[in-house]
Amino acid sequence: DAKTTQPTSMDCAEGRAANLPCNHSTISGNEYVYWYRQIHSQGPQYIIHGLKNNETNEMASLIITEDRKSSTLILPHATLRDTAVYYCIVRDEMGFQKLVFGTGTRLLVSP
Amino acid sequence: GAVVSQHPSRVICKSGTSVKIECRSLDFQATTMFWYRQFPKKSLMLMATSNEGSKATYEQGVEKDKFLINHASLTLSTLTVTSAHPEDSSFYICSANPGQASHEQYFGPGTRLTVT
Repeated sequence: DAKTTQPTSMDCAEGRAANLPCNHSTISGNEYVYWYRQIHSQGPQYIIHGLKNNETNEMASLIITEDRKSSTLILPHATLRDTAVYYCIVRDEMGFQKLVFGTGTRLLVSP
Repeated sequence: GAVVSQHPSRVICKSGTSVKIECRSLDFQATTMFWYRQFPKKSLMLMATSNEGSKATYEQGVEKDKFLINHASLTLSTLTVTSAHPEDSSFYICSANPGQASHEQYFGPGTRLTVT
């Protein structure tokens, strides 16, 4: 069973920030929050992950609430190529553990 | 970054035949690989965990005799869809993790199977 809840779809104007929320109210202490995205007809792509601190890399920023029950993925300047399905996944830190995908958020970036 | 390839990218086969899909980790060794299936407009569904040198672990509801998995080396896992039927038509995706120290899981580009 997916442990996360995400909006089904979101729209964003090109050049604007895209803020994608995720609820993971049952997350346990040793579980990380991972974000992946899947562009149409391709394999998923890793974006970012975090435990409790906010994280930033060249693709995005991850903001995790203090109680860790929710998080937000931020794409600071969305482009048309960011149109994809974004998946928020919680998983413990073991590298070999499987990823269980929920339904994700379909982000449409428009000109 | 680490690269995972799949072959073929697309395959069309007749009902009743078997199809083999390869998943390779090109620049790292993977003791564990994962196989997913994705139907149109649906999310990825984990089918099985492929372990090098041992039997695969199948998710509930996935027939192990129909979806044969072989992980004979640290860089190659294969999925064979036996006696394929039109309802097996789907997008099959594999993934692998470079090691316990890595949080990233790398996915292949997927294989589109169409059974006629």
